[in-house]
Amino acid sequence: QITLTQQAESLWISPGERVSITCRASQSLLYTDGKHYLSWYQQRPGQTTKALIYHASVRTDGVPTRFIGSGSGTEFTLSIEHVQPEDFAIYYCLQTLKSPYTFGAGTKLELK
Amino acid sequence: QVRLKESGPRLVQPSQTLSVTCTVSGFSVTSYHVSWVRQPPGKGLEWVGAIWKGGSTDYNSALKSRLSISRDTSKNQVFLKMNSLQTDDTGTYYCAKHSEGYVMDAWGQGASVTVSS
Repeated sequence: QITLTQQAESLWISPGERVSITCRASQSLLYTDGKHYLSWYQQRPGQTTKALIYHASVRTDGVPTRFIGSGSGTEFTLSIEHVQPEDFAIYYCLQTLKSPYTFGAGTKLELK
Repeated sequence: QVRLKESGPRLVQPSQTLSVTCTVSGFSVTSYHVSWVRQPPGKGLEWVGAIWKGGSTDYNSALKSRLSISRDTSKNQVFLKMNSLQTDDTGTYYCAKHSEGYVMDAWGQGASVTVSS
């Protein structure tokens, strides 16, 4: 199965800063259609899990432009510019290229 | 408005079978794939399996022997059944709708399940 590694278990940042969360896959997530099957999710207490990014860089409907997905092949990054108080949450990457679908272990953004 | 809601028992005894229902609204389970994802307390997310819009299923190989996912299209419901439960099956079970790129673009609040005698 494809393993996704999110190296940082936690990242401490202050509101207004920029942060990058990385996700490394054990094999390329590029499909023959030219798209990467890598998505990003946000989990906040008391809220439903929210999809932020799919195909590595496409924002889902309503996601603020400060969330930016990038990367290709096996290396992917979720960047958040000008972090807002509501962005302190846990972020997961997910690959849906091959079954079984697999998630990264998650990265928690914490207030510095 | 798309909504998913999980329902099921909060407590299940070891070796017994877990049954969780996902009731969806705002879309048809014959038009979108639906996955189950679980999360042990304080830990990360694990994909359990999916039922595709055509009705076929796909399971996490680590759980496959204990799993069954089905649906009732007339009620727009998806069902998860997992047998031979152990304590490490304790956690929150979510259903999620897939969209373009197989992104899980809508999730339920989850059903919290404790496996204990």
